[in-house]
Amino acid sequence: DAGVTQSPTHLIKTRGQQVTLRCSPKSGHDTVSWYQQALGQGPQFIFQYYEEEERQRGNFPDRFSGHQFPNYSSELNVNALLLGDSALYLCASIFSLSNEQFFGPGTRLTVL
Amino acid sequence: AQTVTQSQPEMSVQEAETVTLSCTYDTSESNYYLFWYKQPPSRQMILVIRQEAYKQQNATENRFSVNFQKAAKSFSLKISDSQLGDTAMYFCAFNNAGNMLTFGGGTRLMVKP
Repeated sequence: DAGVTQSPTHLIKTRGQQVTLRCSPKSGHDTVSWYQQALGQGPQFIFQYYEEEERQRGNFPDRFSGHQFPNYSSELNVNALLLGDSALYLCASIFSLSNEQFFGPGTRLTVL
Repeated sequence: AQTVTQSQPEMSVQEAETVTLSCTYDTSESNYYLFWYKQPPSRQMILVIRQEAYKQQNATENRFSVNFQKAAKSFSLKISDSQLGDTAMYFCAFNNAGNMLTFGGGTRLMVKP
């Protein structure tokens, strides 16, 4: 049984560009959360997707958007990248009847 | 809004000894969950232990145990018989029914041989 997978592992972009990060949850999990972890800090909640809808959102601007597909996989899109968007982006997979979150290995985004 | 505070940015412990990491939180909720996550240099966030607020008994997972003081809003992690593989960042996290995790700033633990 594959765990949570994320792609790509690393990504380098320049200011103003757009980026898409991808996450595949554990088998049987139907909910995906995204977190941003700046260097040396704890992760911060971006948003959560369930049944292809954004169910909950943290304090992030509209430049951050997402999508969930019928197979429960999810994308995180960030538009108009800023230097401050450089971070590790973590995806967490959840089964809706439980509250235990399984994290993927993350995508390291560097904005130059 | 909930907040989670870890007051120890860095700690070190000798191999085979015991170390306690501190965490305090603030919430007006009565029903919630608390977690300790470990993040080694590989970046993978790994669940160490969880505690349901309605349970008075402290959770234990092998060498890891917690001291949950609900009235004081304190949730510390004790690691017994520390091993080199325990070297990592440790994050305390809070979660209510909404599934959103609120993390503390982390404690960097170094286990010395």
